[in-house]
Amino acid sequence: ETGVTQSPTHLIKTRGQQVTLRCSSQSGHNTVSWYQQALGQGPQFIFQYYREEENGRGNFPPRFSGLQFPNYSSELNVNALELDDSALYLCASSQNHPGNSPLHFGNGTRLTVT
Amino acid sequence: QQQVKQSPQSLIVQKGGISIINCAYENTAFDYFPWYQQFPGKGPALLIAIRPDVSEKKEGRFTISFNKSAKQFSLHIMDSQPGDSATYFCAASEGQLTFGSGTQLTVLP
Repeated sequence: ETGVTQSPTHLIKTRGQQVTLRCSSQSGHNTVSWYQQALGQGPQFIFQYYREEENGRGNFPPRFSGLQFPNYSSELNVNALELDDSALYLCASSQNHPGNSPLHFGNGTRLTVT
Repeated sequence: QQQVKQSPQSLIVQKGGISIINCAYENTAFDYFPWYQQFPGKGPALLIAIRPDVSEKKEGRFTISFNKSAKQFSLHIMDSQPGDSATYFCAASEGQLTFGSGTQLTVLP
């Protein structure tokens, strides 16, 4: 069973640029969520996708957007990067929706904005 | 607004001791309470979880105690080992997870 994989592992961008982060869900999982984890903090929910539709969003501005593809892989896009966007971005997949199925996290993408 | 408050921020215990981490929540709509363990450079990994109709759940050395009326829950790690040294996060869910701020546990050999 393949777990959640994220790419790239590290990324450095300049303020104002755009970035795309990628995630492959665990086999058999149809729900994907994205979280932002600032250094020394707990993960913060960005949004969730179920069957290619966004069905939940946290307190993040519209410049954070995403996609889920038919194979349940996903992308997180961030436009007009700001210094405060520097964080670990975590993707998590789960098997069922709705409900509280266990989330399986990837190891994240460390984004640094300079 | 911080919906899940976690304490302590850091914890040092001796090998073989009991580690206790506490969390409190405000939103009564939460219906699922997991604990995650995170090692440096890794994503969080689910450790144990409980639903509010149960007051206690035990899996190996890990136990969750849940007090619905007080809106509090805690993680107990019995016989703590140096390999347990990690950051622990409580979380609560009503569809998506709200995490606590984390507890950095160090178990001394």
